[in-house]
Amino acid sequence: DAGVIQSPRHEVTEMGQEVTLRCKPISGHNSLFWYRQTMMRGLELLIYFNNNVPIDDSGMPEDRFSAKMPNASFSTLKIQPSEPRDSAVYFCASSFQAGLNQPQHFGDGTRLSIL
Amino acid sequence: GQQVMQIPQYQHVQEGEDFTTYCNSSTTLSNIQWYKQRPGGHPVFLIQLVKSGEVKKQKRLTFQFGEAKKNSSLHITATQTTDVGTYFCAGAHGSSNTGKLIFGQGTTLQVKP
Repeated sequence: DAGVIQSPRHEVTEMGQEVTLRCKPISGHNSLFWYRQTMMRGLELLIYFNNNVPIDDSGMPEDRFSAKMPNASFSTLKIQPSEPRDSAVYFCASSFQAGLNQPQHFGDGTRLSIL
Repeated sequence: GQQVMQIPQYQHVQEGEDFTTYCNSSTTLSNIQWYKQRPGGHPVFLIQLVKSGEVKKQKRLTFQFGEAKKNSSLHITATQTTDVGTYFCAGAHGSSNTGKLIFGQGTTLQVKP
């Protein structure tokens, strides 16, 4: 079975450029989560969706960040304009929520470097 | 806000020694999950605890959930080099069943052969 698929795996770009990260959740999962991981701040939840609807975006750092989930099999996280402090590993995770919290399945992550 | 604190941040042990990481929440948790992240990898789900005082074992790993459902621990007996990685606890607060988890900062385990 395919796990959570993220692309690209690595991204290096100059500050000011737009960055788009992509995620395909596990088929049948109805919840999708975007996380950012850095040495300083650890693993931070940015935003999550239930049934394609954004539920909590309180972790999104600022207006430069936006996320969409147009359908059950695809989500994007966009940074525009990007800044060096956005450099981090961005993980997408999915789960099937039906009552009690279920395990989250993480993708391999996108390693983003903003120069 | 809701926080999950995890200690220690780092632990170096000799192979064969035991290891424990502790997790504490500022508020009552509905359940807690544990994840392991190998160097360069992604977090992988290990286990979920739901009941007050619950204890679960996976081979050399023992997981506990406190009576007040505010703390948890992971204990590894006789560590092996394959145990190297960062262990995260992640809590769901109150009656939340939306899937949202608050991750601790993680404990990074190094095992010397």
